[in-house]
Amino acid sequence: DSGVTQTPKHLITATGQRVTLRCSPRSGDLSVYWYQQSLDQGLQFLIQYYNGEERAKGNILERFSAQQFPDLHSELNLSSLELGDSALYFCASSPRYNSPLHFGNGTRLTVT
Amino acid sequence: DAKTTQPPSMDCAEGRAANLPCNHSTISGNEYVYWYRQIHSQGPQYIIHGLKNNETNEMASLIITEDRKSSTLILPHATLRDTAVYYCIVRVVVGTDKLIFGTGTRLQVFP
Repeated sequence: DSGVTQTPKHLITATGQRVTLRCSPRSGDLSVYWYQQSLDQGLQFLIQYYNGEERAKGNILERFSAQQFPDLHSELNLSSLELGDSALYFCASSPRYNSPLHFGNGTRLTVT
Repeated sequence: DAKTTQPPSMDCAEGRAANLPCNHSTISGNEYVYWYRQIHSQGPQYIIHGLKNNETNEMASLIITEDRKSSTLILPHATLRDTAVYYCIVRVVVGTDKLIFGTGTRLQVFP
């Protein structure tokens, strides 16, 4: 158990809908990272937050947004969903700069 | 883009050492080498990391060449549960410390 909790584990929704994925980092970890893993793309970095502020952006679509709250949990919002958004979404956390990331077990999103 | 090159797949007999190579010829002096693995569709699991010295922990050993252009992850006594995709990552340290994953090596441990 990595200590990173992601909810829900599975999510099935229709095209055009909006969903929110939640991540609780390990206790004391200030950084949160979001990754997307689809069959044909591998693990893609989406966005990083550090202590509530956005630190880095990767290949995150404009339809996607994220935030980190004062209690350090993070949410990833996906809107106007398309079939191609079906993927595993992983959250990771780390306590400080350049320390190992620890990943949750992901949310599997299926868009029908 | 990932800065590493790994073989797409490898086999290893159970109980034998698994040696997974990684090339990172463009690595900068302050960039670390990290290894992760992913079993089925679980979240990637941290294994080990290093800068220039060899490192060992309870899971594995990391051997980094003197010129730092390549490294080898060693699982000393592979078990069936070590079957996974192994990722070698050169970690960005300027501005952000995100991890950029490549395609990894699929290690199959057989009985």
